[in-house]
Amino acid sequence: KAGVTQTPRYLIKTRGQQVTLSCSPISGHRSVSWYQQTPGQGLQFLFEYFSETQRNKGNFPGRFSGRQFSNSRSEMNVSTLELGDSALYLCASSLGTGAFTDTQYFGPGTRLTVL
Amino acid sequence: DQQVKQNSPSLSVQEGRISILNCDYTNSMFDYFLWYKKYPAEGPTFLISISSIKDKNEDGRFTVFLNKSAKHLSLHIVPSQPGDSAVYFCAASVTDYKLSFGAGTTVTVRA
Repeated sequence: KAGVTQTPRYLIKTRGQQVTLSCSPISGHRSVSWYQQTPGQGLQFLFEYFSETQRNKGNFPGRFSGRQFSNSRSEMNVSTLELGDSALYLCASSLGTGAFTDTQYFGPGTRLTVL
Repeated sequence: DQQVKQNSPSLSVQEGRISILNCDYTNSMFDYFLWYKKYPAEGPTFLISISSIKDKNEDGRFTVFLNKSAKHLSLHIVPSQPGDSAVYFCAASVTDYKLSFGAGTTVTVRA
């Protein structure tokens, strides 16, 4: 079974631009969560989508948005990029049942650098 | 507000010895705890988990201990192997699909 895939793997943008990141979950998984990882901060939860609906949201500004398609693929968009948005963006997929055994499986991440 | 804290950013251990990683949390509503392992250029991979109704869970060389009264979680790796060198993240949730992660502990296993 193929794992979680994220595209692109690396991205360089300049301040003020916007960026769209893509995540394809494991086949059969309906939940996709997005996380931001920065040095010393661990992984910070951005939001979670289930069946095309945002079900949970972290404490990030409105510049960070996402969506999920009917095939469970998800995109994350960041508008008006700031230097502090430079990070590794990870997506994780799961069945979305909320059961203890419903593990989140992570993709390799997209490394975003804002200049 | 960091609800999950890993106060040791790094740990160095000799091959064959025990690695002990610690994690503290502040939210008493957390009822599910996990450990993830991350190699460079890869996403985190699930290692082991424990629910709040248990105080210990074992899986091969990995054992997770939960002390709810102290709001403390630990991961024991016995024996440590060179392939265990990675960053380990502690995570917790209230089963609302949102994981709160610690900042990670980098483990280096010396030959």
